[in-house]
Amino acid sequence: DAGVTQSPTHLIKTRGQQVTLRCSPISGHKSVSWYQQVLGQGPQFIFQYYEKEERGRGNFPDRFSARQFPNYSSELNVNALLLGDSALYLCASSQGGMAYEQYFGPGTRLTVT
Amino acid sequence: AQSVTQPDIHITVSEGASLELRCNYSYGATPYLFWYVQSPGQGLQLLLKYFSGDTLVQGIKGFEAEFKRSQSSFNLRKPSVHWSDAAEYFCAVVPQLRSGGGADGLTFGKGTHLIIQP
Repeated sequence: DAGVTQSPTHLIKTRGQQVTLRCSPISGHKSVSWYQQVLGQGPQFIFQYYEKEERGRGNFPDRFSARQFPNYSSELNVNALLLGDSALYLCASSQGGMAYEQYFGPGTRLTVT
Repeated sequence: AQSVTQPDIHITVSEGASLELRCNYSYGATPYLFWYVQSPGQGLQLLLKYFSGDTLVQGIKGFEAEFKRSQSSFNLRKPSVHWSDAAEYFCAVVPQLRSGGGADGLTFGKGTHLIIQP
């Protein structure tokens, strides 16, 4: 079975631009979570979605938004990019809404110049 | 707020030697506990988890972890490491119960970088 997939693998953006990252969960999983991992740190929780509804949000500014589609895939959007947004963005999927056991994708490496 | 501490930023172990990576958490109630491994440039792979029951849990790749409530610890162990175990290891927690029906994400430690000497 395919694991969590994310696209693109890498991308480079300029300060002030907007970016959209995509994630497809494991088949049968209905919950998707997004994390930001800055170099040398552990991942930080951004959002969790279940059945197309936001179930949890971490301590990130409103420039970060997400949505989940009927097929349970998800997009993370970041507006007005800052240099500090450069990071590995990880998507994780889980079966239920409480998202206890999460399985991660390979991540999208975002570089903001 | 809950937090996870991994006291060792780097650990160097000889191939074939035993390994123990430390993890301590700070939380009002016992959370669910996890260990993940991350190879360079990769996502995270779940090694093992503790929800309840037997405090010694077995995971993949020969890893095990022991939950000690009195010490708020969940240390990861392996009897004999292989060169392929070189990676970044993360301990993570999530509360068992969420207020208001919402969901909290995993809270991760800063990671321990494992180096294997030949």
